[in-house]
Amino acid sequence: GNSVTQMEGPVTLSEEAFLTINCTYTATGYPSLFWYVQYPGEGLQLLLKATKADDKGSNKGFEATYRKETTSFHLEKGSVQVSDSAVYFCAQRDGTGGFKTIFGAGTRLFVKA
Amino acid sequence: DTAVSQTPKYLVTQMGNDKSIKCEQNLGHDTMYWYKQDSKKFLKIMFSYNNKELIINETVPNRFSPKSPDKAHLNLHINSLELGDSAVYFCASSPEQGPNSPLHFGNGTRLTVT
Repeated sequence: GNSVTQMEGPVTLSEEAFLTINCTYTATGYPSLFWYVQYPGEGLQLLLKATKADDKGSNKGFEATYRKETTSFHLEKGSVQVSDSAVYFCAQRDGTGGFKTIFGAGTRLFVKA
Repeated sequence: DTAVSQTPKYLVTQMGNDKSIKCEQNLGHDTMYWYKQDSKKFLKIMFSYNNKELIINETVPNRFSPKSPDKAHLNLHINSLELGDSAVYFCASSPEQGPNSPLHFGNGTRLTVT
């Protein structure tokens, strides 16, 4: 079945460092891909999305490009802030089994001042 | 102006009890979901409703019964609670069933079964 694999955390960075969180997916079709962010005590919020190959999603300095050839959707940010500390989830969604969104295991990011 | 709201935020109860979690969305979305997040943050879909009709029912014990009285509400009732039911339960909604439709989450209900 469809699945999402993302790098294990926690990832600890200093402020202004470059961030990459790796995400790969397996799918029978061509899903849409998403990154969500979860701050402590809150629900997940959509960070960005891409709906077809070579699309780049971006928001708040974060970017991810839909790479069909490597089935990847890695999240990047050029300069992280302490306020970016959260858990990041990669996800896919397609018509398999009724349009359910399948999430990766989440990657916790800690940013130190 | 809360978009997806769940009540209660915390629920502590004993094994064997029956409890309910309520969810309401004011976004006008057609589709609503229940997800379970375990202690390692792993999220698994439980149910999905579209316009009050059940469309996704994952392998969930039949002690869990969702109910959607209208498309803005999706409640979750749990019978005979077990220790393993302890988790954070998230309600979510999406504008439609399509592949591009992102989810809008509530802030979760932390259920602790003792």
